[in-house]
Amino acid sequence: QVQLQESGPGLVKPSGTLSLTCAVSGGSISSSNWWSWVRQPPGKGLEWIGEIYHSGSTNYNPSLKSRVTISVDKSKNQFSLKLSSVTAADTAVYYCARGELDHNAYYYYYYMDVWGKGTTVTVSS
Amino acid sequence: SSELTQDPAVSVALGQTVRITCQGDSLRSYYASWYQQKPGQAPVLVIYGKNNRPSGIPDRFSGSSSGNTASLTITGAQAEDEADYYCNSRDSSGNHLGVFGGGTKLTVL
Repeated sequence: QVQLQESGPGLVKPSGTLSLTCAVSGGSISSSNWWSWVRQPPGKGLEWIGEIYHSGSTNYNPSLKSRVTISVDKSKNQFSLKLSSVTAADTAVYYCARGELDHNAYYYYYYMDVWGKGTTVTVSS
Repeated sequence: SSELTQDPAVSVALGQTVRITCQGDSLRSYYASWYQQKPGQAPVLVIYGKNNRPSGIPDRFSGSSSGNTASLTITGAQAEDEADYYCNSRDSSGNHLGVFGGGTKLTVL
């Protein structure tokens, strides 16, 4: 049973860099999955931030792409998120998740079947 | 703005059937996945693929798709189904990036 656990500072200063890590247990980060970050500002909906494959291939939300870096550390079985130049608008609960992306002859399918519990990050001086 | 559109709020009487919809061009080539989120908790996958339920999800939850619209149906809604529901897919730009609908708040009366 794969489990994910986010960790990192709960408070980041404006203009600083938010750094979070997601530890993968009960499975390998080298499996055929996309490892994702999702965030949720207070009282708002879910926002897809980006994802990484164990090969290091990444995809990012265009609205955040200039500030986001997602990396993988296979030796530690974890992946990480860095978000630079943060403002109060980046205050949110940040989740990591395991994604499945595949297709048949007619359709693609994509879903995130395992989620971390989430970690709250507040941007404030 | 989201490329997947959901109604902000839906209500259903206890024991009745409710359908929550999600519209977007990408749904013509992607199955939507659906997530239930209760206050203070992480999202939980309830439907994926054509109409698949992860282990532990009650069979009153089902999914369907037609054209650019995906639907989550709860047949015989229970009080514990009151939650926010989000659809998720990849975008329609051709870049295959992740995108969520804005979410639907389900109230069970």
